[in-house]
Amino acid sequence: ELKVEQNPLFLSMQEGKNYTIYCNYSTTSDRLYWYRQDPGKSLESLFVLLSNGAVKQEGRLMASLDTKARLSTLHITAAVHDLSATYFCAVDNGNSMYSGGGADGLTFGKGTHLIIQP
Amino acid sequence: DSGVTQTPKHLITATGQRVTLRCSPRSGDLSVYWYQQSLDQGLQFLIQYYNGEERAKGNILERFSAQQFPDLHSELNLSSLELGDSALYFCASSETWSSYEQYFGPGTRLTVT
Repeated sequence: ELKVEQNPLFLSMQEGKNYTIYCNYSTTSDRLYWYRQDPGKSLESLFVLLSNGAVKQEGRLMASLDTKARLSTLHITAAVHDLSATYFCAVDNGNSMYSGGGADGLTFGKGTHLIIQP
Repeated sequence: DSGVTQTPKHLITATGQRVTLRCSPRSGDLSVYWYQQSLDQGLQFLIQYYNGEERAKGNILERFSAQQFPDLHSELNLSSLELGDSALYFCASSETWSSYEQYFGPGTRLTVT
């Protein structure tokens, strides 16, 4: 059974600080996703990482993937209050009845509830 | 706005009843995924359809079923509802066979009383 573990599950930090969220997973999948969810809202795609060593950055967020270690990180630089949200990592199940490309269903971590204090 | 639409936004029903949730994918997207989000279970993948055919199953109960129609919209049918089925149900879509990005709809909040 594919398992995805995030830590920490809860993080309270001050504006201007840096921090990293970790995502460990138990399969050999090369496809790792990061999503953001605001309270009562849907999931917003942040990053899709498709290969070992992939690094993507958007604003104050940077995500990386190490498939050998089965580890992805989401790094927050100089946090601002607007980044307060729950962040999920997810891994492609790879359980499709078909071979070939295309995304399969995702297995999500429990999420990291991030609060950034002014 | 992801371009994925779901109806209804909220649904309140009683135990033992049956409901149907509807999803319209982004224009041109062939794959539809259904997910359930609850406090107990977190976010769980239920089922995926690609161009009208079932492609993958996740943790979907036998009381639940889904289908994708020729116009590519999808419906998730939940029957013999239990209190524990109360959750947020998301639909997501992706573009083609080789696209990995999944775009999530706004969700349907189901409350079973």
